Amino acid sequence: SQELEQSPQSLIVQEGKNLTINCTSSKTLYGLYWYKQKYGEGLIFLMMLQKGGEEKSHEKITAKLDEKKQQSSLHITASQPSHAGIYLCGADLQGAQKLVFGQGTRLTINP
Amino acid sequence: DVKVTQSSRYLVKRTGEKVFLECVQDMDHENMFWYRQDPGLGLRLIYFSYDVKMKEKGDIPEGYSVSREKKERFSLILESASTNQTSMYLCASSRLSDSLGYTFGSGTRLTVV
Repeated sequence: SQELEQSPQSLIVQEGKNLTINCTSSKTLYGLYWYKQKYGEGLIFLMMLQKGGEEKSHEKITAKLDEKKQQSSLHITASQPSHAGIYLCGADLQGAQKLVFGQGTRLTINP
Repeated sequence: DVKVTQSSRYLVKRTGEKVFLECVQDMDHENMFWYRQDPGLGLRLIYFSYDVKMKEKGDIPEGYSVSREKKERFSLILESASTNQTSMYLCASSRLSDSLGYTFGSGTRLTVV
């Protein structure tokens, strides 16, 4: 079983709509990273969360880490075609600077 | 522009061949990692290295080995390629303590026939 569970696994939304992707762990997250991957390419770093209750935003993307540091959500406001891709959460579960990843969420934006 | 470079974007190899996947970073990072990515499974760690000539097994090291003779280069070796090693391989690097996570290469899509 996955140490990090992402939901949903795929998501199709209309352009302009808001959406949320979740990442859940049964263990404490020492650091939670969100990445975006365009199809067939490498991963691009989006943001990193460390403190319980922390929230960060970049353009129309906001990520939060809950107080217990076991769940994170990624929220996109007013989605655009450029947001399409695969979103992955990665986490350091042991404080060892070694990341494990969720299975990814494939996001499709329909015009 | 700092980056992680993987030598090949696409590779096709025959079963039983010895395969080398090369990864070079120009950021003077201490840590380097090899992952494979498969649909529905996300990224799984194969091997990683915290320093030159150092290597540690990840979650799925079987059938693979690595080499890190220089700080900037981390090679993944498939001793005898098999069809179940067909996958996307991603290399990443990071500083020893870095709040920005990993920098990834563009990936190598390996097909073993």
